[in-house]
Amino acid sequence: DVKVTQSSRYLVKRTGEKVFLECVQDMDHENMFWYRQDPGLGLRLIYFSYDVKMKEKGDIPEGYSVSREKKERFSLILESASTNQTSMYLCASGQGAFPGNTIYFGEGSWLTVV
Amino acid sequence: GENVEQHPSTLSVQEGDSAVIKCTYSDSASNYFPWYKQELGKGPQLIIDIRSNVGEKKDQRIAVTLNKTAKHFSLHITETQPEDSAVYFCAASIGGGSYIPTFGRGTSLIVHP
Repeated sequence: DVKVTQSSRYLVKRTGEKVFLECVQDMDHENMFWYRQDPGLGLRLIYFSYDVKMKEKGDIPEGYSVSREKKERFSLILESASTNQTSMYLCASGQGAFPGNTIYFGEGSWLTVV
Repeated sequence: GENVEQHPSTLSVQEGDSAVIKCTYSDSASNYFPWYKQELGKGPQLIIDIRSNVGEKKDQRIAVTLNKTAKHFSLHITETQPEDSAVYFCAASIGGGSYIPTFGRGTSLIVHP
């Protein structure tokens, strides 16, 4: 089975702190994604990466950055956490080319910024 | 870009009834349509998908239909059970290259025993 592992399930951080959310996948997938999930707003794409050291902005990149130094690892960074970044963050991975379009999600990281 | 609308946002049914969730998409180039189920406190899990060269696909109690002309696709769950209670997301994407799915906003399905 595909495994996408998010290292932290629950975090509480203070406003202004730098926050790292880590994600590792074990299927040698090319693409990795970070989504944010809020009630009523569904899944919103923050950033994605289609290769090592490559990154592309999604729909809501402001206040976030990412890092992909190794193929299996994709990190989401909140440079200076704010209360409006309190949310559930989902990492996902998948192959790029058809027919391997399915993406697989991790269990999510609940971040509370106080 | 692609836009996916999902309805209803909440669906309440009695155990044993059928449930139908509908999605429409805007980009006629989209050719892959997965459905995800998200249980409380967990990440979304793929439950079924359909590609644009197929009109219907079934897997036990769940089925998905696709109408390319109308640009809509639906998830059908028959003989619902309490464990079907979850949030369901549809998505649409164009296969190939840097694959990026566009998700609907989700449907909260509640199955009453």
